[in-house]
Amino acid sequence: DIQMTQSPSSLSASVGDRVTITCRTSQSISSYLNWYQQKPRKAPKLLIYAASSLQSGVPSRFSGNGSGTDFTLTISSLQPEDFAAYYCQQSYSNPYTFGQGTKLEIK
Amino acid sequence: QLQLQESGPGLVKPSETLSLTCTVSGGSISGSTYYWGWIRQPPGKGLEWIGRIYYSGSTYYNPSLKSRVTISVDTSKKQVSLKLRSVTAADTAVYFCARIYGNHFYMDVWGEGTTVTVSS
Repeated sequence: DIQMTQSPSSLSASVGDRVTITCRTSQSISSYLNWYQQKPRKAPKLLIYAASSLQSGVPSRFSGNGSGTDFTLTISSLQPEDFAAYYCQQSYSNPYTFGQGTKLEIK
Repeated sequence: QLQLQESGPGLVKPSETLSLTCTVSGGSISGSTYYWGWIRQPPGKGLEWIGRIYYSGSTYYNPSLKSRVTISVDTSKKQVSLKLRSVTAADTAVYFCARIYGNHFYMDVWGEGTTVTVSS
């Protein structure tokens, strides 16, 4: 299985801050990397697919970057509704493993 | 728009079989671009990929669950089913179904999830 290392596991930030979450994979996955947002007791929501493509309807303050083994999700200016958990997921090979998650909390 | 709804028993006894159904509405289950998948999330933990199925019936399972899991599709009813045999407390989780876009295998539409507890 491809191992996913997501960091940090938790993050405290303020409204308006710029934050970056990192995901590293145990082998190269080209651009087969996706990012999801999950709020408590809700299903995950797709934010970014193919490393850097913004899903329809997702605000442009979200952006993704990277290829190979190193990827980032950046939120350019945090809004109150962005405080949630974030997961990366590789879709290069079965099983399509997820990172352990990053919990983004209000400072 | 496309909606997915999971259904099934919320409580399953240890060693028995967990059976869930995902009903697709507002769109086709037979589109060539899409697969259908199951993902689970134990309480307070992260997401685990279970497997996926194409409308033709071809499947791909997580090797860690492969010996116990079966995913099937009924295109006439627009339903995708999950069966997980010989369950233990470790299978207690919220189970999600999702649509998977075939080119890059990302999950763009999710059901709300259903909680399954394994307990006697």
